[in-house]
Amino acid sequence: DAKTTQPPSMDCAEGRAANLPCNHSTISGNEYVYWYRQIHSQGPQYIIHGLKNNETNEMASLIITEDRKSSTLILPHATLRDTAVYYCIVRVATNAGKSTFGDGTTLTVKP
Amino acid sequence: AAGVIQSPRHLIKEKRETATLKCYPIPRHDTVYWYQQGPGQDPQFLISFYEKMQSDKGSIPDRFSAQQFSDYHSELNMSSLELGDSALYFCASSARGHSYEQYFGPGTRLTVT
Repeated sequence: DAKTTQPPSMDCAEGRAANLPCNHSTISGNEYVYWYRQIHSQGPQYIIHGLKNNETNEMASLIITEDRKSSTLILPHATLRDTAVYYCIVRVATNAGKSTFGDGTTLTVKP
Repeated sequence: AAGVIQSPRHLIKEKRETATLKCYPIPRHDTVYWYQQGPGQDPQFLISFYEKMQSDKGSIPDRFSAQQFSDYHSELNMSSLELGDSALYFCASSARGHSYEQYFGPGTRLTVT
């Protein structure tokens, strides 16, 4: 699985957009980008994933660069409940695809 | 919507005892994954099963074993417990035919004294 690099921490004002970057320069052609978040000691929560096209769901948007070497998770209107550790994970989309959690980004949403 | 169920939620054991953690995947999910998260650490993959067969293996100690049953639930068996086994243990499940995004349960907090 490709290694990812994320900033260790970020702050965001409540109601503003939170943009969380992730570098995955060694990503392979068949590997997807997945984003999860973990709110203190709870089970990680799936947010969104993509292969090469930008994706949007009810929680967030995922922007993947054309060369696929980096991506950005966007929370359009951050709330205090979005304070969590955010993990960017790159892996193949198979039933044996374990998720390798690296050092994620601690996002703190401030009032 | 139904989520992954893990039991028990909390477990306290003494050194050298055994423990069994259970995981019930989301209905129609056929793959189960186990992760261990020590204090202040990121989740670490232990093992996964697809259709009752082991599909991948991570840094799971030889003292641990796991299996998936015909109803797709899974059990993680831990023997000769050590203090360092104290951690949160998460189970996740995914469904074939999708992009294999994993849905995690609430975890079992194991404390070894």
